[in-house]
Amino acid sequence: QVQLQESGPGLVKPSETLSLTCTVSGDSISGYYWSWIRQPPGKGLEWIGYIYNSGSGSTNYNPSLKSRVTISVDTSKNQFFLKLSSVTAADTAVYYCARNRGDTMIQIWGQGTLVTVSS
Amino acid sequence: QSALTQPASVSGSPGQSITISCAGTSSDVGGYDYVSWYQQDPGKAPKVVIYDVSKRPSGVSNRFSGSKSGNTASLTISGLQADDEADYYCCSYAGGKTLGVFGTGTKVTVL
Repeated sequence: QVQLQESGPGLVKPSETLSLTCTVSGDSISGYYWSWIRQPPGKGLEWIGYIYNSGSGSTNYNPSLKSRVTISVDTSKNQFFLKLSSVTAADTAVYYCARNRGDTMIQIWGQGTLVTVSS
Repeated sequence: QSALTQPASVSGSPGQSITISCAGTSSDVGGYDYVSWYQQDPGKAPKVVIYDVSKRPSGVSNRFSGSKSGNTASLTISGLQADDEADYYCCSYAGGKTLGVFGTGTKVTVL
């Protein structure tokens, strides 16, 4: 059974970079699409972007966040990562890592981790 | 990319059927058969209950069904139960290299 677990700081200062790690267990990270999705407190879901862990390692980012987002993968550790730069209070949210089927569905979700942006 | 439109809340009594709508455009919901639905219990991660408009993942109750007409997709929950009380989100493929777009979310209350 595939399981995903997010980890990283729960508090980030404004203007700094938010960095999260997702550790995948129960299956290889190779050959799948891996996403980050966020949900501000009391609000809806926003797809941040994904990486396709194939030979190309192609990525697809939300245009509204593209200038600040980097998603990468470390196949040897079965982990993938999110970096979001120049954060503001508007980036406060629960961040979920997930496995997706391209752009068409989210198959498996991590439990989520709350990141608060505050000085 | 604008969020798909869902009603803020839907309610029903135990045993009844309810339907949640998800309105989009011909560029997303109406253009492709790739609508998925997610159930989110309070404080928990979402879970897929319907994908590709009407397919149910293994382990999801057959009380959940999906359909689409034109630019609007629908999720129907029949035989409503107390543990169906949750937030529900639709999501649609929007073509090309565009990320899927989520709906605004619907809170289901079992009376």
